[in-house]
Amino acid sequence: AQTVTQSQPEMSVQEAETVTLSCTYDTSESNYYLFWYKQPPSRQMILVIRQEAYKQQNATENRFSVNFQKAAKSFSLKISDSQLGDTAMYFCAFIDYYNTDKLIFGTGTRLQVFP
Amino acid sequence: DTAVSQTPKYLVTQMGNDKSIKCEQNLGHDTMYWYKQDSKKFLKIMFSYNNKELIINETVPNRFSPKSPDKAHLNLHINSLELGDSAVYFCASSQDLRTSGTQSLNYEQYFGPGTRLTVT
Repeated sequence: AQTVTQSQPEMSVQEAETVTLSCTYDTSESNYYLFWYKQPPSRQMILVIRQEAYKQQNATENRFSVNFQKAAKSFSLKISDSQLGDTAMYFCAFIDYYNTDKLIFGTGTRLQVFP
Repeated sequence: DTAVSQTPKYLVTQMGNDKSIKCEQNLGHDTMYWYKQDSKKFLKIMFSYNNKELIINETVPNRFSPKSPDKAHLNLHINSLELGDSAVYFCASSQDLRTSGTQSLNYEQYFGPGTRLTVT
């Protein structure tokens, strides 16, 4: 079965600092997508960044970047220059290209950014 | 110009009642989903529909019945509500990668704002 594990239930960081959220996954497939979703207190699910497994280059979106280690099945999210608005739950998610009908989510990491 | 909308956003009801949550997307997507987020924030797929056809039913009780009148709508009807049904329910939609035959570089599931259901 495909699983996603987030081992950090809670993290905190000071404003302007950098923080890394961890995610590992398990799959026997070779073609898949990985995502980080943000859920602020408003509860809206917002896509932060996506990574296609066939791409070796790590995805980046402004202050957000990932460290994708396919062999190790690891997909961490780095947030640079943290802002108060980054305070939210962050979910790592996986989807198999050939069975693209469900996102499999990790249990989430609650990130608190302090002034 | 909301992409995925759900109504209502909050729903408080008593055990044993029947209720519905409506979902609409204006993105032209073929596939729609229902996810459940429990009190510990864990998100799990319940159903997915592709072109009005049920694709996934993740061992959800029969009391939950999705209905897709057309590609843009996926409603969730719940019979005989129980305390354990209290959760946030998210509707989502996406393109279907497989119909295009090529990989979409921008694949994403777009989520609605969620419906917080409280059963008392």
